[in-house]
Amino acid sequence: QVQLQQSGPGLVKPSQTLSLTCAISGDSVSSNSAAWYWIRQSPSRGLEWLARTYYKSKWYVDYAVSVKSRITINADTSKNQFTLHLNSVTPEDTAVYYCARMETMVRGLSACDVWGPGTMVTVSS
Amino acid sequence: DIQMTQSPSSLSASVGDRVTITCRASQSISSYCNWYQHKPGKAPKLLIYAASSLQSGVPSRFSGSGSGTDFTLTISSLQPEDFVSYYCQQTYSTPPVTFGQGTRLEIK
Repeated sequence: QVQLQQSGPGLVKPSQTLSLTCAISGDSVSSNSAAWYWIRQSPSRGLEWLARTYYKSKWYVDYAVSVKSRITINADTSKNQFTLHLNSVTPEDTAVYYCARMETMVRGLSACDVWGPGTMVTVSS
Repeated sequence: DIQMTQSPSSLSASVGDRVTITCRASQSISSYCNWYQHKPGKAPKLLIYAASSLQSGVPSRFSGSGSGTDFTLTISSLQPEDFVSYYCQQTYSTPPVTFGQGTRLEIK
């Protein structure tokens, strides 16, 4: 059974960096059939995809345009986890942050079949 | 980016009712539509993938249909635990994956 466990602070000061980690059990961050996602949810933005990383002979990363200049996603194969770093945060970044696995389900179609429990992150001084 | 327009944004119904939630994509996405249930304080849960395939462990009262631009999630007989929020998602053109705005199902 695949599980994702999130860790990281729930309160970040404006202009600082938000860092969250998602530890994977029951699967490998280097899986050939999965991609690893960060998604956030806020009342104003709904569910918003932020970043993904995946391995297919080499590592790939993609970022949402809205945060591209401020965000980094990293995979750590030695710890079987992946990490989100979002810098220069503002109160607009206050949200619940989720990590998720996007798995190939059938005929090349994918879905987020496993999610972390979520981390409520508040940006405030 | 492909936009997913979900309706209604909220819906009042009673236990035992049959309800339908719709999602319209801004362009054709074939069958690349998924549906999630989201309970407050919990992680979203995958219900339907590839427009109409029921995720393992999900009750059979949930079903999905559609292709191209129009998709529906149907709950055949509402149970008390179903009165939460639902979201559609497209994975046809990524990145980015995009979600509908959500439907909040309320008890009448």
